[in-house]
Amino acid sequence: AQSVTQPDIHITVSEGASLELRCNYSYGATPYLFWYVQSPGQGLQLLLKYFSGDTLVQGIKGFEAEFKRSQSSFNLRKPSVHWSDAAEYFCAVGTGNQFYFGTGTSLTVIP
Amino acid sequence: DADVTQTPRNRITKTGKRIMLECSQTKGHDRMYWYRQDPGLGLRLIYYSFDVKDINKGEISDGYSVSRQAQAKFSLSLESAIPNQTALYFCATSAQGLSGNQPQHFGDGTRLSIL
Repeated sequence: AQSVTQPDIHITVSEGASLELRCNYSYGATPYLFWYVQSPGQGLQLLLKYFSGDTLVQGIKGFEAEFKRSQSSFNLRKPSVHWSDAAEYFCAVGTGNQFYFGTGTSLTVIP
Repeated sequence: DADVTQTPRNRITKTGKRIMLECSQTKGHDRMYWYRQDPGLGLRLIYYSFDVKDINKGEISDGYSVSRQAQAKFSLSLESAIPNQTALYFCATSAQGLSGNQPQHFGDGTRLSIL
């Protein structure tokens, strides 16, 4: 069965520090992978997606993610976090008919 | 995403009441979805529709029903609301690409409280 695991429920980083949010997936075929961000009171906004090709994908707001098939991972990174990045982040896998979302990682940014 | 509009944004109601949440989109997408979000559980799929004549159950469809009135409209109903249906509900849309895995675009959500 397909599933998405985000092992970190909550992460706190200092402004200007680097960030990595972890995502592992379980899916038998070629995965279509996504990262979304949810700010308080808002819906989910797409940060980036991986369909095929280059395993390092660039997204909006300075985020990037790397697909590693051998580790079934799709970790999200940002070199220098801004206070406005505080939000909840969701990893998702698309299987053709449906999306499966992880349980989310809440990011707090401290000055 | 202003292209996907959910109404109402907030609703408080009582156990046993019938409730309808509405979603409309101007993105021209064929595919529409309803999710609920609960703390610590992420988003779970309730129903999805790939066109006007297509309705499919998701992971947690019990206690819910949907209607796809037009390409642009997809409503979610709780026939007899119960307190454990208190949650944040999201509508989403996506285009149908060759891969079938086009990104989903979300509304701002409906916060539903059932007393």
